[in-house]
Amino acid sequence: QSVLTQPPSMSGSPGQSVTISCTGSNSNIGTNYGVHWYQQLPGTAPKLLIYGDNNRPSGVPERFSGSKSGTSASLAITGLQAEDEADYYCQSYDNSVGGSLVFGGGTKLTVL
Amino acid sequence: QVRLVESGGGLVRPGGSLRLSCAASGFTFRDYYMGWIRQVPGKGLEWISYITETSASANYADSVKGRFTISRDNAKKSLFLQMNSLRAEDTAVYYCAVLAINGWSYFFDNWGQGSLVTVAS
Repeated sequence: QSVLTQPPSMSGSPGQSVTISCTGSNSNIGTNYGVHWYQQLPGTAPKLLIYGDNNRPSGVPERFSGSKSGTSASLAITGLQAEDEADYYCQSYDNSVGGSLVFGGGTKLTVL
Repeated sequence: QVRLVESGGGLVRPGGSLRLSCAASGFTFRDYYMGWIRQVPGKGLEWISYITETSASANYADSVKGRFTISRDNAKKSLFLQMNSLRAEDTAVYYCAVLAINGWSYFFDNWGQGSLVTVAS
């Protein structure tokens, strides 16, 4: 059972938009600690997609954006492309029990 | 560019030990926190441990506390994970990653390709 909750799967057609949710609590997302998102393409290592709630590293397309409100965060992907088919994970810091880094369970995005 | 290369994975019997290494290049290793994350094949990501730049402190997930030890050698630009008392549930791909800290944000901005550890008799 992951500390951060994500939907196990989502799907969309090319050109559409999808939003992946990440729900936490007052000891992680509900604090000032940032929420970060990773993309893991099949058979590869995860790659940082969004950091600090809504910042894109260099090279990440503007189609990807992040937001946070209360104890939840979201990753929005607009203009869905076939190469966006991947697993997506949210991550934050949890200040309970000595502090730890926590991940969501991951969302498998299928591009129809 | 940043490069992280893990090594040392393999098959080990339950109760055994294994030491993973991660060779870093392309950035000033001594200036960054480093961490380990694992992934059971077909499952999600689990943070395992991180260590500060100077090895002054380290933090561990409850699932490995007391069994795993993280360390680093800044002169050799290397990160290590000593894994003792291994269990079947420790079977996973282990990733080495750079832990970036930006204000209230702790995130992994560069990852290695991973090293598979299999615990089985």
